[in-house]
Amino acid sequence: EVQLVQSGAEVREPGATVKISCRVSGYTFTDYYIHWVRQAPGKGLEWMGRVDPDDGLTIYAKKFRGRVVLSADTSIDTAYMELSSLRSEDTAVYYCRGWRPPSVMDVWGQGTTVTVSS
Amino acid sequence: QSALTQPRSVSGSPGQSVTIPCTGTSSADGAYNYVSWHQQDPGKAPKLIIYDANKRPSGVPDRFSGSKSGNTASLTISGLQAVDEADYYCSSYTGRYMVFGGGTKVTVL
Repeated sequence: EVQLVQSGAEVREPGATVKISCRVSGYTFTDYYIHWVRQAPGKGLEWMGRVDPDDGLTIYAKKFRGRVVLSADTSIDTAYMELSSLRSEDTAVYYCRGWRPPSVMDVWGQGTTVTVSS
Repeated sequence: QSALTQPRSVSGSPGQSVTIPCTGTSSADGAYNYVSWHQQDPGKAPKLIIYDANKRPSGVPDRFSGSKSGNTASLTISGLQAVDEADYYCSSYTGRYMVFGGGTKVTVL
């Protein structure tokens, strides 16, 4: 079964850093990009960027450049999203998504809730 | 990387058809924009229902259809059912950047 399993919920104070993992199973990790998408409470989906596990190349949305680092460890088929200088507006559910067009395969993790509060 | 524009909500009675437009899916530089549609139930991860503007993954009911003309993509739900009540998001991917629409809540009256 194709699955993306994310790490558990996190609570951080403003200014801190959070790192979320996304473990892949059921397909060849290097065949698909891992995208990161977040959703603030009651809001829509927001793309943060993607990493190509095959070569480690990353592309970030302009809004998050300088604050987010995406990475992938092919030895354990796991991708990571690290977000720094957290503020209250970063409170959201963060999803990883395995997808690369033109493939129809589109797999999402279960989501990780990050709460930023003092 | 401007967000795509969708109506905040649409509604219809069971059996009717509803269409959700999504504008902003063309790039000024002419790059190919890969348009997808996702359905999201409360508290769940999004589910792909249309890819490459008008293709439907296996297992997705054929009452869901997608189209694209110029700068606007559209999702049509024909024969609306109660189970279709959810949030729907369009997205456009150029091969480098991705952008989502703000989401449309479909209500079945």
